Amino acid sequence: EAQVTQNPRYLITVTGKKLTVTCSQNMNHEYMSWYRQDPGLGLRQIYYSMNVEVTDKGDVPEGYKVSRKEKRNFPLILESPSPNQTSLYFCASSPGQASFVGTEAFFGQGTRLTVV
Amino acid sequence: AQKITQTQPGMFVQEKEAVTLDCTYDTSDPSYGLFWYKQPSSGEMIFLIYQGSYDQQNATEGRYSLNFQKARKSANLVISASQLGDSAMYFCAMRGYAGGTSYGKLTFGQGTILTVHP
Repeated sequence: EAQVTQNPRYLITVTGKKLTVTCSQNMNHEYMSWYRQDPGLGLRQIYYSMNVEVTDKGDVPEGYKVSRKEKRNFPLILESPSPNQTSLYFCASSPGQASFVGTEAFFGQGTRLTVV
Repeated sequence: AQKITQTQPGMFVQEKEAVTLDCTYDTSDPSYGLFWYKQPSSGEMIFLIYQGSYDQQNATEGRYSLNFQKARKSANLVISASQLGDSAMYFCAMRGYAGGTSYGKLTFGQGTILTVHP
């Protein structure tokens, strides 16, 4: 089954404690990205990757890091989480540029992060 | 830059009635796609329907149709014969392309919460 898998689904952590949210896709997609969802703001892109070892900032990258060492994996790293990073996070993947405009993004199940 | 605006924070509809969720967009990209996603209370994002900027006909998928008016830059979602299971948050999104590296990003609206009454 084609899917994007995020872990964990729920996470409560304390300010400053490094954490990683994993994301893996089994569709051989080139493009992967992370979004955060906040009430009244919709989803906003944090980081994206067009392929292995190619990553770039989205609209709200501050406080986050990513890596893309393998095509299927795109972890999101919060090195020193703060309460304003409490949010619902989604990983998404899409095929590459050749067919991008009309291709839906496949989303993970979401990770609800609370930083206290 | 791309922008999506959903002006209806919440909508109510009676079961079996039709409902229209509004979406307007702004972009200078020559080519773009418009998407609607459904987010039930469980949180996952479910793709509903897609409309390409050069498509001549409005997209339809079962009970979902997209009322695309390019000149007015609107892409409203119409849900016919509403069901209780349609109660959810609905997001309008767009993906544009003007060359370079911006091709994959989806820009989302604020969302509309739809409640279907029995």
